[in-house]
Amino acid sequence: EAGVTQFPSHSVIEKGQTVTLRCDPISGHDNLYWYRRVMGKEIKFLLHFVKESKQDESGMPNNRFLAERTGGTYSTLKVQPAELEDSGVYFCASSSRLAGGPGELFFGEGSRLTVL
Amino acid sequence: LAKTTQPISMDSYEGQEVNITCSHNNIATNDYITWYQQFPSQGPRFIIQGYKTKVTNEVASLFIPADRKSSTLSLPRVSLSDTAVYYCLVGNQAGTALIFGKGTTLSVSS
Repeated sequence: EAGVTQFPSHSVIEKGQTVTLRCDPISGHDNLYWYRRVMGKEIKFLLHFVKESKQDESGMPNNRFLAERTGGTYSTLKVQPAELEDSGVYFCASSSRLAGGPGELFFGEGSRLTVL
Repeated sequence: LAKTTQPISMDSYEGQEVNITCSHNNIATNDYITWYQQFPSQGPRFIIQGYKTKVTNEVASLFIPADRKSSTLSLPRVSLSDTAVYYCLVGNQAGTALIFGKGTTLSVSS
């Protein structure tokens, strides 16, 4: 079974440009999360989808970030316009659990974003 | 969400048992404790999850005392490949976001 896949693995853009990151969760996983790690800092939660609905977007830093999950399958995270402080590694995770304990989150390898 | 506190770093040698303790003093009644491992340039990987007492799987054991205000991840006979960052997280519901802390960087030497 394929794991969580993220694309691109690394993106280098200039300040002011737009970047779109994509995440393909494990098939059948209703929960999809975006996290990011800015250089030297902790992994920070960005948002959580349940199917196509945004369950929690409290971690989104500002309105330059837009996440979508049309059809409840893959998700995209767009940064427009990108700023220097957006540089970091963006992780996507998915899980199937909808009841009981938190269950296991399956993480992708991450998309490294470098804004120059 | 309950905050967790872990040692920033630990050192060990191959073949030793490593115990990493996490404090979560304000854990809620229905919170679970989950540990993840992360290697450089990779996403975190689930290790083990528990609610109380002891949980064991093929790679680790998780000890949770009766008051649940702390937990200990035990890695038996570590190898060089266990060098990684280990995160303790506390969460209570399926589907809610888990919050990562600073983690513990474990360095295993030969």
